[in-house]
Amino acid sequence: QKEVEQDPGPLSVPEGAIVSLNCTYSNSAFQYFMWYRQYSRKGPELLMYTYSSGNKEDGRFTAQVDKSSKYISLFIRDSQPSDSATYLCAMEGSGTYKYIFGTGTRLKVLA
Amino acid sequence: DARVTQTPRHKVTEMGQEVTMRCQPILGHNTVFWYRQTMMQGLELLAYFRNRAPLDDSGMPKDRFSAEMPDATLATLKIQPSEPRDSAVYFCATRSGTDEKLFFGSGTQLSVL
Repeated sequence: QKEVEQDPGPLSVPEGAIVSLNCTYSNSAFQYFMWYRQYSRKGPELLMYTYSSGNKEDGRFTAQVDKSSKYISLFIRDSQPSDSATYLCAMEGSGTYKYIFGTGTRLKVLA
Repeated sequence: DARVTQTPRHKVTEMGQEVTMRCQPILGHNTVFWYRQTMMQGLELLAYFRNRAPLDDSGMPKDRFSAEMPDATLATLKIQPSEPRDSAVYFCATRSGTDEKLFFGSGTQLSVL
């Protein structure tokens, strides 16, 4: 079993929809949780960064962490065609310098 | 605009040739990671350095890959000799010593024929 599981998609939604992307993990030592957006032929771009459990909002993006369920989510409101990309979750145990990445979910927002 | 700079962006070479990839960390970032990304494996950690010292290179094939950080502004990843199975996108990522945010460069797309 992988330490981090992420559905590869692809996920196709109409413009304006709310998108929910998720990752599950097995290592309870993870403390820092990140979401990256990667456009084709580009490097991963840090979107959201959270510590421990809870919610964090930034514009149309909301990141949720539920450590009791070992489950993290990224919500995108009012999705736009420009949101079409691969979204990777990542997590790290405090001070370990070991970042574990999901395989990425490919999202397509249709105009 | 602080960013991780990688060169070259693309490299096409023949099997057996030496390949060198370079990375300039964000100013002030003291930890540098090298990742390889393929469709099949996703992002794989190859090696990382903190304060220019190698801390973990267990992800690298030791017989052909080497990573160095000759100074705080330059990290290199070298493959000698290159093989077709090395074809992938190689990313450098860096972070500061004060938080866990990891920032990626644009990558080097390597094709070994």
